[in-house]
Amino acid sequence: DAGVIQSPRHEVTEMGQEVTLRCKPISGHDYLFWYRQTMMRGLELLIYFNNNVPIDDSGMPEDRFSAKMPNASFSTLKIQPSEPRDSAVYFCASSLTGENEKLFFGSGTQLSVL
Amino acid sequence: SQQGEEDPQALSIQEGENATMNCSYKTSINNLQWYRQNSGRGLVHLILIRSNEREKHSGRLRVTLDTSKKSSSLLITASRAADTASYFCATDYMRFGAGTRLTVKP
Repeated sequence: DAGVIQSPRHEVTEMGQEVTLRCKPISGHDYLFWYRQTMMRGLELLIYFNNNVPIDDSGMPEDRFSAKMPNASFSTLKIQPSEPRDSAVYFCASSLTGENEKLFFGSGTQLSVL
Repeated sequence: SQQGEEDPQALSIQEGENATMNCSYKTSINNLQWYRQNSGRGLVHLILIRSNEREKHSGRLRVTLDTSKKSSSLLITASRAADTASYFCATDYMRFGAGTRLTVKP
């Protein structure tokens, strides 16, 4: 299995632009998680899905952030409009059976908003 | 808070020494997990310990869980330079603490 696949690996954009991050979970995994990591705030859980349905989005910082999972093999995290404080590494992770089980992480997307 | 909190924030040891990291949490849990993150990479799962377990081993890793104190510890024995990384604990709801940055000097 190829593991959790995220794209792009790096994204540099200007303030005000729309940014879309993509994630392909491991096949057969029912849960998908989006995290944001910064030096100041550590690793924050933004949102997670079960069987393509958002379960907990309480970590989504603002209305500028939105996440979708149109099918079991694809999810997007969108920031519109982007701001410099959104600069961070965004990770996607998937889990086979539940919120309390082993997570498999992707390599992350390094986002820089200028 | 639903997340675990690791301490110390940073730990520096010599190769061959043991490294101990701690995790504290505030709510009751079903299980607790430890992960490792090498610089610039995604987290890698190390070990999961369930609330009815007190100790678990995996290679050079030993994890203990004390539910009465709401704490866990991760012990890495005979550390190697390759163990240099950040270590995180996660409780239920998959929320992580700030991590412990471990540096193992050759």
